[in-house]
Amino acid sequence: SQQGEEDPQALSIQEGENATMNCSYKTSINNLQWYRQNSGRGLVHLILIRSNEREKHSGRLRVTLDTSKKSSSLLITASRAADTASYFCATDISYAGGTSYGKLTFGQGTILTVHP
Amino acid sequence: DARVTQTPRHKVTEMGQEVTMRCQPILGHNTVFWYRQTMMQGLELLAYFRNRAPLDDSGMPKDRFSAEMPDATLATLKIQPSEPRDSAVYFCASGPGAAGNQPQHFGDGTRLSIL
Repeated sequence: SQQGEEDPQALSIQEGENATMNCSYKTSINNLQWYRQNSGRGLVHLILIRSNEREKHSGRLRVTLDTSKKSSSLLITASRAADTASYFCATDISYAGGTSYGKLTFGQGTILTVHP
Repeated sequence: DARVTQTPRHKVTEMGQEVTMRCQPILGHNTVFWYRQTMMQGLELLAYFRNRAPLDDSGMPKDRFSAEMPDATLATLKIQPSEPRDSAVYFCASGPGAAGNQPQHFGDGTRLSIL
């Protein structure tokens, strides 16, 4: 299975509700990033959390990282119809001695639909 | 805002034809990535470059795919000969420095259909 796996695969909510997406991974990482992809567009970087961080905020986004469970979550508060998109986690795998190969491994994504 | 530019945005061609996709990374970014996105496989890394030198192309079928950076402002991905299974969206992304700990900036992709 993939290094990064998002859960759920799809999420449908009403405007104003919170949306939580989870990402699990298998190997040690240097950092984890979250990206958004609108239909027909490229991925857009949202937030990066390093392996020694536990929580990070950016506007309505809150990301947590639990390296002991090899998991991360992305919370979008007070969702808007414009938040409708696919959300991907991506990991910078840590190799021997903490080496980074400088590339990211993406999960399959969560499709979020926010109904007005 | 600086953007990664990909051309063409759409390409439809017949099996066996050569396909060339181009990418202009963000000025000053020294790491360039090529990805392929399909419903079945998700986002796969095909190749990436740092300072125009190929670092990893293990995700790319070598017999038909090739990736180059003729100069710092242009990256190309070629498929020759193309096959229907190559139909996908191909993304280019660029990043500054050691991109594993830096955000990647994506273009809007080339949607490729091989008939």
